[in-house]
Amino acid sequence: GENVEQHPSTLSVQEGDSAVIKCTYSDSASNYFPWYKQELGKRPQLIIDIRSNVGEKKDQRIAVTLNKTAKHFSLHITETQPEDSAVYFCAATNSDTGRRALTFGSGTRLQVQP
Amino acid sequence: NAGVTQTPKFRILKIGQSMTLQCAQDMNHNYMYWYRQDPGMGLKLIYYSVGAGITDKGEVPNGYNVSRSTTEDFPLRLELAAPSQTSVYFCASSYRAAVYEQYFGPGTRLTVT
Repeated sequence: GENVEQHPSTLSVQEGDSAVIKCTYSDSASNYFPWYKQELGKRPQLIIDIRSNVGEKKDQRIAVTLNKTAKHFSLHITETQPEDSAVYFCAATNSDTGRRALTFGSGTRLQVQP
Repeated sequence: NAGVTQTPKFRILKIGQSMTLQCAQDMNHNYMYWYRQDPGMGLKLIYYSVGAGITDKGEVPNGYNVSRSTTEDFPLRLELAAPSQTSVYFCASSYRAAVYEQYFGPGTRLTVT
């Protein structure tokens, strides 16, 4: 089955700096890659996703890039703010083979220092 | 819409006791999921369902059972609770498949002592 590895496990940046979180996946057939944000004590929420026919997607300060050849994808947050502090999870799945659930990475705790 | 709701919010069980975690959604989603999240860890899939009457095992199904008699409800049953089942349990739903956004419930924090 699919295996998703996520790095780093913790990341501390100064407010205004950029943050990058990286994930690798094992199943070359995976074609959908969402990112979820979980604030302390709250439920995970989708912040951005990318499909395998796209190399990059951007939404304001958040961007995701996908390298299908290397089987890795990354989350980029620019101009970080204290409210970006949270745990971020990447995930992957292949919608074509009938796999019907996401495989999540282990999470990255991002701390933005004011 | 209330979205995905879960009850209870917190529960303490003694070893060997049983309980049912309730999950309901009012978005008419076909797919529903149960995850557990251990402290500092990611989300592990326990069971999922692609529609009423259809369920399947995820990564960590041992010690749990599910049923899906209606589109709205997807309860998770713990039989013979063990300390290893101490975790936060999240229920989630999505419209048709894993490639659609999953909406999570608020979670149930379970402690087994």
